[in-house]
Amino acid sequence: KQEVTQIPAALSVPEGENLVLNCSFTDSAIYNLQWFRQDPGKGLTSLLLIQSSQREQTSGRLNASLDKSSGRSTLYIAASQPGDSATYLCARASYQLIWGAGTKLIIKP
Amino acid sequence: DAGITQSPRHKVTETGTPVTLRCHQTENHRYMYWYRQDPGHGLRLIHYSYGVKDTDKGEVSDGYSVSRSKTEDFLLTLESATSSQTSVYFCAISESGAGGFGYTFGSGTRLTVV
Repeated sequence: KQEVTQIPAALSVPEGENLVLNCSFTDSAIYNLQWFRQDPGKGLTSLLLIQSSQREQTSGRLNASLDKSSGRSTLYIAASQPGDSATYLCARASYQLIWGAGTKLIIKP
Repeated sequence: DAGITQSPRHKVTETGTPVTLRCHQTENHRYMYWYRQDPGHGLRLIHYSYGVKDTDKGEVSDGYSVSRSKTEDFLLTLESATSSQTSVYFCAISESGAGGFGYTFGSGTRLTVV
């Protein structure tokens, strides 16, 4: 069964810290890997999409990497801010999206 | 979210009653999806559509049906609501339907079955 796992389920850090969110997947025949942000009461917003032929993608303070051999993706957030507080979900993207359960991130001012 | 709206945003219904959720898009995208989100789980696909009158089942389709008579509307029906269907339901649209490209999500419908 194709599964996507995110650890930790929740994370609370002081403002300004650099942090890493983890995503692991069991299906080595991965296509693309996508990171989303979810704010309470709102829909999901795509942050970064890493195609299977790529190793990483960057957008501002966010950097996502993909290591197919180990079945892992990481989302690195630099210089965290309170506005980064949200739930972050990763999804394996092929013909459908297979989702992790998310990491709820709280950045303390 | 721009281009996609879900209605209603909140609904409380009684066990055994039928419920229909609506997803409306203005982007003319071919693919539309219904997901449910529960604590401790990621989003799980209920049904999806790849064109007018073309639909298929997802991972958790039991107890749900869908219809798409127009490009812009995708309806999710719970024929006889049960407490296990209490959840947050998200609609999504995609132009390509593969690879995760260009997904846009609605703001969700919180459904409570009592």
